[in-house]
Amino acid sequence: AQRVTQPEKLLSVFKGAPVELKCNYSYSGSPELFWYVQYSRQRLQLLLRHISRESIKGFTADLNKGETSFHLKKPFAQEEDSAMYYCALGRRALTFGSGTRLQVQP
Amino acid sequence: KAGVTQTPRYLIKTRGQQVTLSCSPISGHRSVSWYQQTPGQGLQFLFEYFSETQRNKGNFPGRFSGRQFSNSRSEMNVSTLELGDSALYLCASSLAEHTGELFFGEGSRLTVL
Repeated sequence: AQRVTQPEKLLSVFKGAPVELKCNYSYSGSPELFWYVQYSRQRLQLLLRHISRESIKGFTADLNKGETSFHLKKPFAQEEDSAMYYCALGRRALTFGSGTRLQVQP
Repeated sequence: KAGVTQTPRYLIKTRGQQVTLSCSPISGHRSVSWYQQTPGQGLQFLFEYFSETQRNKGNFPGRFSGRQFSNSRSEMNVSTLELGDSALYLCASSLAEHTGELFFGEGSRLTVL
């Protein structure tokens, strides 16, 4: 069975500090991984997907098949990055991690 | 383009009743998925519909059902409600089936008393 683990429920950093939101997955086969974000009072939205290898709002995520990880990183956190972040795996039906709340303090 | 629209946004039911939730996908999107979100279990996949056919179903009891209409609008139904069915039910649409690139609605928050 596929599984996504986000070990941190809450990550608190100061503005300008680097951010790394951890995501580990369990899947037999070639995984498709995504990061979704939910800002306060907004709907859940796609932030980025591993196949595009793009940077969105300064965030990047690299798939490491050896470590079965897909950590989300940003070199300099901004207050507007404060949100709930979900790592998700799959295509036919997404398996979501439990989410990490990122708090960026001024 | 209008986003995914879910109705009703909030509803309260009692145990044993049944409920129907509605979802209108983004125009042109033919795939609709449903997810249940609870504090304890997080986001869990319920089902996916494409071209009026259920393509995939999550690990939920038969009390949970759904359908999709020819205009891609979808409904999900929960019969014989239990307290544990209290949750936020999220609908998501996508252009194609079997994709993880989903556009979510704001959800229907169901409270079962």
